[in-house]
Amino acid sequence: DIQMTQSPSSLSASVGDRVTITCQASQDISNYLNWYQQKPGKAPKLLIYDASNLETGVPSRFSGSGSGTDFTFTISSLQPEDIATYYCQQYDNLALTFGGGTKVEIK
Amino acid sequence: EVQLVQSGAEVKKPGESLKISCKGSGYSFTSYWIGWVRQMPGKGLEWMGIIYPGDSDTRYSPSFQGQVTISADKSISTAYLQWSSLKASDTAMYYCARLQVVPAAIDYWGQGTLVTVSS
Repeated sequence: DIQMTQSPSSLSASVGDRVTITCQASQDISNYLNWYQQKPGKAPKLLIYDASNLETGVPSRFSGSGSGTDFTFTISSLQPEDIATYYCQQYDNLALTFGGGTKVEIK
Repeated sequence: EVQLVQSGAEVKKPGESLKISCKGSGYSFTSYWIGWVRQMPGKGLEWMGIIYPGDSDTRYSPSFQGQVTISADKSISTAYLQWSSLKASDTAMYYCARLQVVPAAIDYWGQGTLVTVSS
């Protein structure tokens, strides 16, 4: 099984701040890395696919980068509606693994 | 409009069996993989397994192999997640999700089914 290590597990930032979350895979996953946002009581929502591609309709303040084992997710200017938990997810031949999640709060 | 509609919340006792459902609509149900994801209270997302309704090809995460059964009835566009003997530790929200292969991402989710197991 490929393990995904996501950090930090939580963060607190001010509105307008740049927020960065990292995800590390236990082996090379090329660019098979997605990012999801989950708000309380709701199902997750796809934000970024294949490491750096923005899903249709997702605001451009969200972005992703990386390949191989190291990946980064960035919110360029944190907004109040971005309060949520964010998860990375890898895909390896129909076996998926999620990172542990990062809870983002407003300072 | 693509929709995955899950069955309602369940309250069960340890040792009981349970089968929850996920009905797809608005797309060709037999052409996409459907997966199941567990979220225990206050915890993260865990991938349980996946089924291709077109031919019932099923894959399980090692953590869930032998613990649950995933199935599908393509005639009614419905996938299932089943337990033969529930434990208190099965208490969780369970989501079904549609997996695209290209790109390899979950593009649609069900609303979730809350399963509570308590004596």
